Amino acid sequence: QKEVEQNSGPLSVPEGAIASLNCTYSDRGSQSFFWYRQYSGKSPELIMFIYSNGDKEDGRFTAQLNKASQYVSLLIRDSQPSDSATYLCAAGSSNTGNQFYFGTGTSLTVIP
Amino acid sequence: DVKVTQSSRYLVKRTGEKVFLECVQDMDHENMFWYRQDPGLGLRLIYFSYDVKMKEKGDIPEGYSVSREKKERFSLILESASTNQTSMYLCASSKKGYEQYFGPGTRLTVT
Repeated sequence: QKEVEQNSGPLSVPEGAIASLNCTYSDRGSQSFFWYRQYSGKSPELIMFIYSNGDKEDGRFTAQLNKASQYVSLLIRDSQPSDSATYLCAAGSSNTGNQFYFGTGTSLTVIP
Repeated sequence: DVKVTQSSRYLVKRTGEKVFLECVQDMDHENMFWYRQDPGLGLRLIYFSYDVKMKEKGDIPEGYSVSREKKERFSLILESASTNQTSMYLCASSKKGYEQYFGPGTRLTVT
């Protein structure tokens, strides 16, 4: 069973702080990794993807990938109350064909 | 912008009814997916399709079927709705190997 695991939280951070969200995956064949944000009652929205080891930055968001440790993280700098949502991690690989495997999500609350 | 649309945002059906959920994407994506999402269980894949008339079972296909007659359209069918199929249903599409884009979701209640 290919698994993606996340700490379900809830994770609370004060406004302006760095929020760190973590994800581990079991399939060493995973090659692509995605972070989605999901507001309550809404559908998931893609915010970042990463394919290579290291860091990838996009505005206040940084995705980090360590394939040796099978670990993916998302850092949100200068957290805002509007960042309060559930964050889903997903992994895909050529072995799974077209499927992604999603974690169950981490709930983040940014306290004003 | 990628656009994935679903036929209904909210749907209420009775036990035993046949239910059709439709999904349409406008980006010429090869892959389309149906998930259900329940509190504490995350996203669970029901079926996916990688080409017209092609389908693959996901993790929880029991009680569901799908149809893909055109590339842009992927339908999920509940042959005989049951109360344990009350859920949020999410459609997604992607190019092969790339990120998935989700529709707005259909919240189905079976009474």
